[in-house]
Amino acid sequence: SQKIEQNSEALNIQEGKTATLTCNYTNYSPAYLQWYRQDPGRGPVFLLLIRENEKEKRKERLKVTFDTTLKQSLFHITASQPADSATYLCALVDTGGFKTIFGAGTRLFVKA
Amino acid sequence: ETGVTQSPTHLIKTRGQQVTLRCSSQSGHNTVSWYQQALGQGPQFIFQYYREEENGRGNFPPRFSGLQFPNYSSELNVNALELDDSALYLCASSPISSGGRDEQFFGPGTRLTVL
Repeated sequence: SQKIEQNSEALNIQEGKTATLTCNYTNYSPAYLQWYRQDPGRGPVFLLLIRENEKEKRKERLKVTFDTTLKQSLFHITASQPADSATYLCALVDTGGFKTIFGAGTRLFVKA
Repeated sequence: ETGVTQSPTHLIKTRGQQVTLRCSSQSGHNTVSWYQQALGQGPQFIFQYYREEENGRGNFPPRFSGLQFPNYSSELNVNALELDDSALYLCASSPISSGGRDEQFFGPGTRLTVL
């Protein structure tokens, strides 16, 4: 069955360091991969989208890579700040955009 | 431009009852998706509506149904509530012509508790 795995353990890093979050998937050939941020008690907020034919995408301090051979995406936050502390969700979207599958998310804590 | 809104914010029901949750999509968005998010889990796709038609469905039983109206607002109906239906229900809208492929704009969610 289709499966998405994100680091289940929380990630604790020091302010100013780079946070790297992992998203692995099996039995799926997504056309798009999205990353969202979710704060407690709130809906997810879209951050970045990368297509299957793209290797890397950047936006300000954020960088996403997509390796369809390894079936893995890496999400990087450079120069992390305490305000970056949140849960980060990886989501796979099929070609038609009719169905989105989310991972369970990784909780990031950035210490000052 | 107003964002995605959902109502009510919180709701408590008992087993066997029925519930209707509402969502107003962001201006200019014609695609609405509904998700169920249990505590500590990612959102689970329930279904998507496009131009008032169900466009895709996740692994949820038929007692989960929906509607989309001409103004693109939407309802999620759940019949015969079970304890496991307790969750945060999220609505997300997408811009015209992108379907769910591009970014989705989520509402704040409705917290449903089934006793």
